[in-house]
Amino acid sequence: DTEVTQTPKHLVMGMTNKKSLKCEQHMGHRAMYWYKQKAKKPPELMFVYSYEKLSINESVPSRFSPECPNSSLLNLHLHALQPEDSALYLCASSQEGTSGETQYFGPGTRLLVL
Amino acid sequence: AQSVAQPEDQVNVAEGNPLTVKCTYSVSGNPYLFWYVQYPNRGLQFLLKYITGDNLVKGSYGFEAEFNKSQTSFHLKKPSALVSDSALYFCAPYPGKLIFGQGTELSVKP
Repeated sequence: DTEVTQTPKHLVMGMTNKKSLKCEQHMGHRAMYWYKQKAKKPPELMFVYSYEKLSINESVPSRFSPECPNSSLLNLHLHALQPEDSALYLCASSQEGTSGETQYFGPGTRLLVL
Repeated sequence: AQSVAQPEDQVNVAEGNPLTVKCTYSVSGNPYLFWYVQYPNRGLQFLLKYITGDNLVKGSYGFEAEFNKSQTSFHLKKPSALVSDSALYFCAPYPGKLIFGQGTELSVKP
């Protein structure tokens, strides 16, 4: 099973709202990733967790707050977002986060900030 | 600086014809190289990767890719295109993290 699930599929929020995106995998992977993708553009790495510890933060604004409660779950907490944050947010996982590993992606959450 | 180029924004192919989606890269060392595909309103699906060894890598759905070290290229190929192959294709070297190319929109017409 190479499935990564993400909820919700779609999310509309105002600039003063607080919301969370969720990602789950049951492949026993120990590395999980958040990417942001604008329409027809490549995904951009935001965060990497390895063994439930944040290992990479690609200088993402603090209005995005990741959390990894356990090895199967990854959350992205959103607060005071801007309209330009509207995008497809993709979660991915890989075995350990080492070089050459295949990352498996979820279907994404399409976020619209009004 | 690490970079990857997919020189064609769009590739149009007739069903049954061979297809090639081009990728060149500029990264230090011997990178791992990946191809991913994204269908409309979907996440990315892994197609294939090159780590070391045989320069011709076979992947999912009949796709293959040819690694050329001297030309720093990793072109994606398929001998006979299907309409269902129409999607957005990303080349991604891995020099410490995945660096995605700008993507190539493949359109296969019946």
